[in-house]
Amino acid sequence: DVKVTQSSRYLVKRTGEKVFLECVQDMDHENMFWYRQDPGLGLRLIYFSYDVKMKEKGDIPEGYSVSREKKERFSLILESASTNQTSMYLCASLTGRTDTQYFGPGTRLTVL
Amino acid sequence: SQQGEEDPQALSIQEGENATMNCSYKTSINNLQWYRQNSGRGLVHLILIRSNEREKHSGRLRVTLDTSKKSSSLLITASRAADTASYFCATDDSGTYKYIFGTGTRLKVLA
Repeated sequence: DVKVTQSSRYLVKRTGEKVFLECVQDMDHENMFWYRQDPGLGLRLIYFSYDVKMKEKGDIPEGYSVSREKKERFSLILESASTNQTSMYLCASLTGRTDTQYFGPGTRLTVL
Repeated sequence: SQQGEEDPQALSIQEGENATMNCSYKTSINNLQWYRQNSGRGLVHLILIRSNEREKHSGRLRVTLDTSKKSSSLLITASRAADTASYFCATDDSGTYKYIFGTGTRLKVLA
């Protein structure tokens, strides 16, 4: 079974803090994604990566950066957290062999 | 930009009834996928239909795709209380891996 894990289920941070969200997949998938999910807006793509050290902006990259130093790990960084970044963050991985995304359980981030 | 739009936004049915959800999209696609999300959890892949397919079945799920109308439907037959969840369609943006999700249909199945 494919497993995608995220470092925290719940996280509370203060405005201005630097926040790291980590995602790890164990199936050697080439592609990894970060989404945020907000009520009424569905899932919106922040960044995705199709290979180690490669990244592409999604629809809402402002205020975020990413890092992919190893194939299995994709990190989302909030350089200076703001209250409007309070959201559910979902990580996913995908292999081109099946075009199916496998999601982690999500991290609910609250920025106070 | 969001191109997958589900309809209806919310649906409430009795156990045993069928549930139908619709999805519309805007650009050309290679495939369309349906996902399910239980409250506060990650998404789980249900079924994928490719652009050259018109219908696909998986257990109690039936998906149709009409590329001329840029729309898809998901039918869940003989629904169960455990089917209560949100359902999302996702399309690949012009054949890239940049998937675009809709806002979802919240299904409630009453026992």
